[in-house]
Amino acid sequence: DVKVTQSSRYLVKRTGEKVFLECVQDMDHENMFWYRQDPGLGLRLIYFSYDVKMKEKGDIPEGYSVSREKKERFSLILESASTNQTSMYLCASTDPGTRSPHGELFFGEGSRLTVL
Amino acid sequence: GENVEQHPSTLSVQEGDSAVIKCTYSDSASNYFPWYKQELGKRPQLIIDIRSNVGEKKDQRIAVTLNKTAKHFSLHITETQPEDSAVYFCAAEGGKLIFGQGTELSVKP
Repeated sequence: DVKVTQSSRYLVKRTGEKVFLECVQDMDHENMFWYRQDPGLGLRLIYFSYDVKMKEKGDIPEGYSVSREKKERFSLILESASTNQTSMYLCASTDPGTRSPHGELFFGEGSRLTVL
Repeated sequence: GENVEQHPSTLSVQEGDSAVIKCTYSDSASNYFPWYKQELGKRPQLIIDIRSNVGEKKDQRIAVTLNKTAKHFSLHITETQPEDSAVYFCAAEGGKLIFGQGTELSVKP
C-alpha cells in the first residue's frame, strides 16, 4: 500500500510565524503535490513537483513556497502565516506511468492549520 | 486555464435511491476525468475514472458518463447505502488536475 504521511495533523500558529508542513511518501513516486481544501472551494493546487529540486506553481501559490530536496519528501512553507491561510492542507503523490501526467493521486491524511 | 464546476454542493437521498453528481469543464483538451471520495475525517481516495475515448464506465454500483461535446461528466451511484455518505470530488486533467468544488452526499437510512 502506498503511504503518504504528513507530519502534523493539527497545528495552531500565530500570524507572522513561519510554518513548515512536511510530507513523505514511501512508493518512490516522482510527482508530488500540495493542495489546500476549503469548504465550497474544493481542492486547490498550491505547488507541485515532478522531480527532485523541481517545483512549479499551481493555481494559488501566493504566500507559499516549497522544497523538494529528496524524492520522497515535499515540504510546504508558509514564510509569514496569515489568518487567511487557516485551512486543511493535503499532500499527494503519484507515479504517472503511461496513463496520464498524473495517474491516481494518493493523498496524505491532511494537516489542519489554524492561524490566530 | 481549466475550470471545473460541480453540482449540487449538497445532496440528500434515501437509502436505496440513486444519486447523480454533475460536473462541467472548460478546457476541451482535458482527457482524464477522475472521481474522488472523501469520508469524514479521512483522505480523498479515487473511486472511478474515465478517459476521453470512452463514453461510460461502470464499477458495481457506481458509473461515470462523459459527454465530450457538451464538456460535462457525471457520477451515478445506484442503490445507495449509508456508507456512501461522503464528499465527492470530480476533476479534469488537461496538463494539470483541476478539482470541482465537491458534493456532500448524505444517505439516510
